[in-house]
Amino acid sequence: DQQVKQNSPSLSVQEGRISILNCDYTNSMFDYFLWYKKYPAEGPTFLISISSIKDKNEDGRFTVFLNKSAKHLSLHIVPSQPGDSAVYFCAAMGGFKTIFGAGTRLFVKA
Amino acid sequence: NAGVTQTPKFQVLKTGQSMTLQCAQDMNHEYMSWYRQDPGMGLRLIHYSVGAGITDQGEVPNGYNVSRSTTEDFPLRLLSAAPSQTSVYFCASSPLSGGSASTDTQYFGPGTRLTVL
Repeated sequence: DQQVKQNSPSLSVQEGRISILNCDYTNSMFDYFLWYKKYPAEGPTFLISISSIKDKNEDGRFTVFLNKSAKHLSLHIVPSQPGDSAVYFCAAMGGFKTIFGAGTRLFVKA
Repeated sequence: NAGVTQTPKFQVLKTGQSMTLQCAQDMNHEYMSWYRQDPGMGLRLIHYSVGAGITDQGEVPNGYNVSRSTTEDFPLRLLSAAPSQTSVYFCASSPLSGGSASTDTQYFGPGTRLTVL
């Protein structure tokens, strides 16, 4: 029973365009939602988070949107750059536990 | 400041062998955790700790033991390795904030790739 789902295993985007990565969750009790970025042979690195009481959070080129009624969040990257090519994990936090999605591999083509 | 370090980077075990994956952090973080990453499944929480002497189970704790005798170290023990434990293991740490792990300062180690034959 996956509580956090990323239904797109991969996404390919042209440099300069917008990348939109999606995530769905099932548990209404999560307090925070996070996005992590992961390069091969490295650990994940934190990208951006959003509290469950907000609907948008922005940090430079990265914006996360939260739709609680739909139990859906998305990460927007504008403009996309080749260095953004990585695996992106959506995660949900409740107390001391973090549940991760399976990840979406983003390819940004130059 | 080394951050979160993990040893070894790679390990091959035979079924039934035991071993300890080491994790250390030098940021004085109270919260530490272990995850495993398998293809198509993302990262799954194995065990976590909110301070020395305090540990608890995550999503997939079976087959793994942990202890936290110091703030810096959080080793993960496999008592009798099984092929199903073949995975990449990540350790992470963060400060506590508002009664839970910090939401934006969780640091991950580089991972240990474990193969059980």
